[in-house]
Amino acid sequence: DTAVSQTPKYLVTQMGNDKSIKCEQNLGHDTMYWYKQDSKKFLKIMFSYNNKELIINETVPNRFSPKSPDKAHLNLHINSLELGDSAVYFCASSQGVRSSGNTIYFGEGSWLTVV
Amino acid sequence: QQQVKQSPQSLIVQKGGISIINCAYENTAFDYFPWYQQFPGKGPALLIAIRPDVSEKKEGRFTISFNKSAKQFSLHIMDSQPGDSATYFCAARPYTDKLIFGTGTRLQVFP
Repeated sequence: DTAVSQTPKYLVTQMGNDKSIKCEQNLGHDTMYWYKQDSKKFLKIMFSYNNKELIINETVPNRFSPKSPDKAHLNLHINSLELGDSAVYFCASSQGVRSSGNTIYFGEGSWLTVV
Repeated sequence: QQQVKQSPQSLIVQKGGISIINCAYENTAFDYFPWYQQFPGKGPALLIAIRPDVSEKKEGRFTISFNKSAKQFSLHIMDSQPGDSATYFCAARPYTDKLIFGTGTRLQVFP
């Protein structure tokens, strides 16, 4: 059974479009994340939610809006897509966030290509 | 700014050899240092982790060496196998804050 699942796995879209990526975790974790991995493989956190509350919001354009309907789901909506948004977006989850040492489990990634 | 510097960017090792990846950090508030392994087309997965109160942790062929005074830690893969070919990320987490990843090392192990 997939622990952190995200859809779609591949997404090709035109500039200016709006798209969403969905994420669900069945690990019973209370914290979920969105990470962006660029073409050089660099991994950077975008957002983090703990029990549906936004706790980390990095310097991400406000075209990116996360939504957490419940603690098992964290979706990412992107408005007015730009070429530079092309990347792999990883959803992840962990149990707890306020103490170090909690393993973060990643999904398999959503490959977004903006043309 | 909090940073984790990782080297080398890529590494080629022959089967049976030792792979060594190094990381350095600046923020002394970091207190958890995991290594993640990422295969092509997959998400990163936790490989091994260490806290700064120990200098070494070993799990099978994988060992983390930690030097608190130098603010450096490294991953050693003994008897490297072709199946170890992947991208490896070191990371560090300050207490109550987010995980910060290194820039990644692409390891290729040739038979």
